[in-house]
Amino acid sequence: SAVISQKPSRDICQRGTSLTIQCQVDSQVTMMFWYRQQPGQSLTLIATANQGSEATYESGFVIDKFPISRPNLTFSTLTVSNMSPEDSSIYLCSVKTGYEQFFGPGTRLTVL
Amino acid sequence: KQEVTQIPAALSVPEGENLVLNCSFTDSAIYNLQWFRQDPGKGLTSLLLIQSSQREQTSGRLNASLDKSSGRSTLYIAASQPGDSATYLCAVVGSSNTGKLIFGQGTTLQVKP
Repeated sequence: SAVISQKPSRDICQRGTSLTIQCQVDSQVTMMFWYRQQPGQSLTLIATANQGSEATYESGFVIDKFPISRPNLTFSTLTVSNMSPEDSSIYLCSVKTGYEQFFGPGTRLTVL
Repeated sequence: KQEVTQIPAALSVPEGENLVLNCSFTDSAIYNLQWFRQDPGKGLTSLLLIQSSQREQTSGRLNASLDKSSGRSTLYIAASQPGDSATYLCAVVGSSNTGKLIFGQGTTLQVKP
């Protein structure tokens, strides 16, 4: 298994600003993922972040809006840029160890 | 395109009842299927992982089955307790094993004392 922490746990932001979310894992992992959970919805993958390579974005998500860094095997950041109320969601990072995936506690973002 | 559906969307049962949550997926070419639990405002807790070659997995009062050919999985919860109240999500990884999880909409379970 893996223990994952995220910062901040929640935030309220103004339209047009940016927020960077941090994800820290207690062990070295190759594959890290960022998901979004919009209100009342299930989870959708934003991008896959592997150390040493550019993040791979899913359809509908672009690097300019959601830049990702992966400087080492235990850490990653997701930035939500130029925010609008539609970006209000829970953002979760996850890691794959062996066959299983584990999730962080999430960052609850509200954009006013 | 893989789609995952969970039925029912919500379920309310009295404490002690055995129950079954259903998950179906449209593309049988999966690598594995994972069941998660999500408490309100919290992240996801992994419950059970079933590889595509497996038929079922058990952990305590939980048993998950997989019928890949028919595109179905069930999560059986025995002797339900109020602490089991949560949203249960199933998710599949495609056969290409990119790690991408495709989630169902979840079943919200309430167990009444």
